[in-house]
Amino acid sequence: AQSVTQLDSQVPVFEEAPVELRCNYSSSVSVYLFWYVQYPNQGLQLLLKYLSGSTLVESINGFEAEFNKSQTSFHLRKPSVHISDTAEYFCAVTPNQNSGGSNYKLTFGKGTLLTVNP
Amino acid sequence: DTAVSQTPKYLVTQMGNDKSIKCEQNLGHDTMYWYKQDSKKFLKIMFSYNNKELIINETVPNRFSPKSPDKAHLNLHINSLELGDSAVYFCASSHFGGAAEQYFGPGTRLTVT
Repeated sequence: AQSVTQLDSQVPVFEEAPVELRCNYSSSVSVYLFWYVQYPNQGLQLLLKYLSGSTLVESINGFEAEFNKSQTSFHLRKPSVHISDTAEYFCAVTPNQNSGGSNYKLTFGKGTLLTVNP
Repeated sequence: DTAVSQTPKYLVTQMGNDKSIKCEQNLGHDTMYWYKQDSKKFLKIMFSYNNKELIINETVPNRFSPKSPDKAHLNLHINSLELGDSAVYFCASSHFGGAAEQYFGPGTRLTVT
């Protein structure tokens, strides 16, 4: 079974400041890792994902995350945030294709509310 | 064009009633999901169907019964509603496989009074 810990439930920052949202996971098998974003009163949208290869993955709107296998982490960063980045961010994990099993259940962390203030 | 749609968007009902939530996707995906998001925003999978077959069935009261009439639709029927069922229910769809991006609907906010 997998579990995800998002260490901060809320992160308030000022506009144009850098931000890091922390995510650690636990799994006995290799995993795929995801960050989803939920804007107010909407469903979730994929922000970025790590499947294999380069441990640094980027989104189209300036976020990046780095997979660190030794620390079992997948922290999300952005060098300069905008008001429009205010949202709930969810880290999620699922067993990868080499892990056996076939249900590919996504396990989510409890979310981090990023609030960007002017 | 809406990719994943859910109806209704809001549902207010009394304890003991039976209600249904409908979900449709037009993305050509073969896998669909129901998630429950509680008041603290915690998101937990309830069910998943692949090609109309149930592949994930989490520890959910059997008052909840999903039905997938075809690959594009996944409905959720809830019997004998309880106060604790109040939550936002999200439908999602994807291609089969763990690497696949899941596309979420806008959610149905269920309030049981």
